[in-house]
Amino acid sequence: NAGVTQTPKFQVLKTGQSMTLQCAQDMNHEYMSWYRQDPGMGLRLIHYSVGAGITDQGEVPNGYNVSRSTTEDFPLRLLSAAPSQTSVYFCASSSLGLAGETQYFGPGTRLLVL
Amino acid sequence: AQTVTQSQPEMSVQEAETVTLSCTYDTSESDYYLFWYKQPPSRQMILVIRQEAYKQQNATENRFSVNFQKAAKSFSLKISDSQLGDAAMYFCARGVPGGGADGLTFGKGTHLIIQP
Repeated sequence: NAGVTQTPKFQVLKTGQSMTLQCAQDMNHEYMSWYRQDPGMGLRLIHYSVGAGITDQGEVPNGYNVSRSTTEDFPLRLLSAAPSQTSVYFCASSSLGLAGETQYFGPGTRLLVL
Repeated sequence: AQTVTQSQPEMSVQEAETVTLSCTYDTSESDYYLFWYKQPPSRQMILVIRQEAYKQQNATENRFSVNFQKAAKSFSLKISDSQLGDAAMYFCARGVPGGGADGLTFGKGTHLIIQP
């Protein structure tokens, strides 16, 4: 079991560029989510999905797009990168229901936008 | 917005001693979950302990235990016999069944330093 994997580990972008952060899980979890972590802050929810074909916005969705075509994958797209999107991005997954709710995190992607 | 507050930005403890990290939260939900996550310098978010709000018994995982005071909306983490490997950022988080638009709501974290 690889758990939750994220690629790349680190990326530098120029303002205005677009890119996709990849996230995959092999635990057959229904719920997947993206968070960003900024200095001095806890993690904040960007987007989430409760299953293939279903996505919705979290607390800070502006400038980001997601899709969920399979249970395993949940990519995050930056449409036109801005310096304010410099952050560490975490993908997480969990099963839903009484035995679930604990979110398991990927190792993070550090993004620097110049 | 429902919040999670960690009032101690930084704590320091001698190796082998006991330390308690504080967390308070607000919620309008009757059913929710509380978590402590550890984030070492590697940045990996590691689950330390979890508590279901409907359970009165405090959760325990080896040297880690919680003091869950539901009426006071307080959820502190006690680390016994502190070890050098416990040094990390610790985040308190609240979640609700089904995840939802709130996902996990995190506090800002407590930086735990272990003095050898």
